[in-house]
Amino acid sequence: DARVTQTPRHKVTEMGQEVTMRCQPILGHNTVFWYRQTMMQGLELLAYFRNRAPLDDSGMPKDRFSAEMPDATLATLKIQPSEPRDSAVYFCASGLTDPHMNTEAFFGQGTRLTVV
Amino acid sequence: GENVEQHPSTLSVQEGDSAVIKCTYSDSASNYFPWYKQELGKRPQLIIDIRSNVGEKKDQRIAVTLNKTAKHFSLHITETQPEDSAVYFCAASLGSTDKLIFGTGTRLQVFP
Repeated sequence: DARVTQTPRHKVTEMGQEVTMRCQPILGHNTVFWYRQTMMQGLELLAYFRNRAPLDDSGMPKDRFSAEMPDATLATLKIQPSEPRDSAVYFCASGLTDPHMNTEAFFGQGTRLTVV
Repeated sequence: GENVEQHPSTLSVQEGDSAVIKCTYSDSASNYFPWYKQELGKRPQLIIDIRSNVGEKKDQRIAVTLNKTAKHFSLHITETQPEDSAVYFCAASLGSTDKLIFGTGTRLQVFP
């Protein structure tokens, strides 16, 4: 049963610390999304990649957030320095994009981040 | 910018009744419209999707309709059951970029 894997599942950190969240997309998928979910904002798109290249990160606060794909099996989302307002659940999703069809996004279980 | 609006934000129905959730999108280039169900503490999971070349799609008790002219699409759940209780999200994909933008979600409660 292929799944998107996210680590860690839970993270509690102090304000000002660096946080790195990791995502392993489903093998063979070439599109990766990062979403942030809060009660107030729903599912907010932060960034997404196709074939490891960033296509859009306009939803991401550039001063403290960064997203990368070091290789096809790993996507990372980093926050430095973290702030209490960053507390949320961060979801990674992956899909296969084909020239003839749109992506179906499969979500990971999420990383619940609490910044105190 | 791109926007997807979803209504209502909460919906309570009696078991066996129907539930309808509506979404509108702003970009006429959107051509893919999935619906996700998220149970408490779990990941969103795709339940049904529709592409712009069809107007309606059914899967057992779930159906989606799409009106491209009006730029809105709807989720219909018939014969609701308590296990249908969850948050439902609509989304729209913006043209060939596949950038998925989600609505704000509808919390559906089905009472026995």
